[in-house]
Amino acid sequence: DAKTTQPTSMDCAEGRAANLPCNHSTISGNEYVYWYRQIHSQGPQYIIHGLKNNETNEMASLIITEDRKSSTLILPHATLRDTAVYYCIVRVEEGGSYIPTFGRGTSLIVHP
Amino acid sequence: AAGVIQSPRHLIKEKRETATLKCYPIPRHDTVYWYQQGPGQDPQFLISFYEKMQSDKGSIPDRFSAQQFSDYHSELNMSSLELGDSALYFCASGGAVVGTQYFGPGTRLTVL
Repeated sequence: DAKTTQPTSMDCAEGRAANLPCNHSTISGNEYVYWYRQIHSQGPQYIIHGLKNNETNEMASLIITEDRKSSTLILPHATLRDTAVYYCIVRVEEGGSYIPTFGRGTSLIVHP
Repeated sequence: AAGVIQSPRHLIKEKRETATLKCYPIPRHDTVYWYQQGPGQDPQFLISFYEKMQSDKGSIPDRFSAQQFSDYHSELNMSSLELGDSALYFCASGGAVVGTQYFGPGTRLTVL
């Protein structure tokens, strides 16, 4: 039972916006959505997180639907260095623990 | 800015040996998370600590144990190593913003 669902791969032209969707239909009411990315075998890098309102920081914007069942990460002007696997993460309660669950992620390729 | 430090960066062990991985969180961060990422796999949450107490427990084998010390660094102890334990082990630290994690560069463990 996948906690998050993301496209396996996407591609984007350099300089254009990259819109990465995530479905998290079973998210509980008080849990945040977190986005990270991982370049090759480096440690995942935190991008942004949100609860119900849209969020923006220097890296990206996060749009969360009103029902909180899905969200979209937006990289407004993708560069070649944005090529990475992007993970949408929610915490899942299991046996009294809150498990950060990475899921399969989206492999984003930014091309010239 | 100071980042998460993990040591060693690379470790080679034989089957049935033990290994200890160390993690030094970002200064003033009180939470440490441990993840295992097998070849071609997504990061899997193992365990986390908050203020030196175990807070959440994921898919950590019984052969593994971990703790967080008074200076907030953490160690992951792995015994009776198996070939399947070969993986990247990431440590992440978190501070005031719940769930936001900053990952270290990882320790690559190879079990022969």
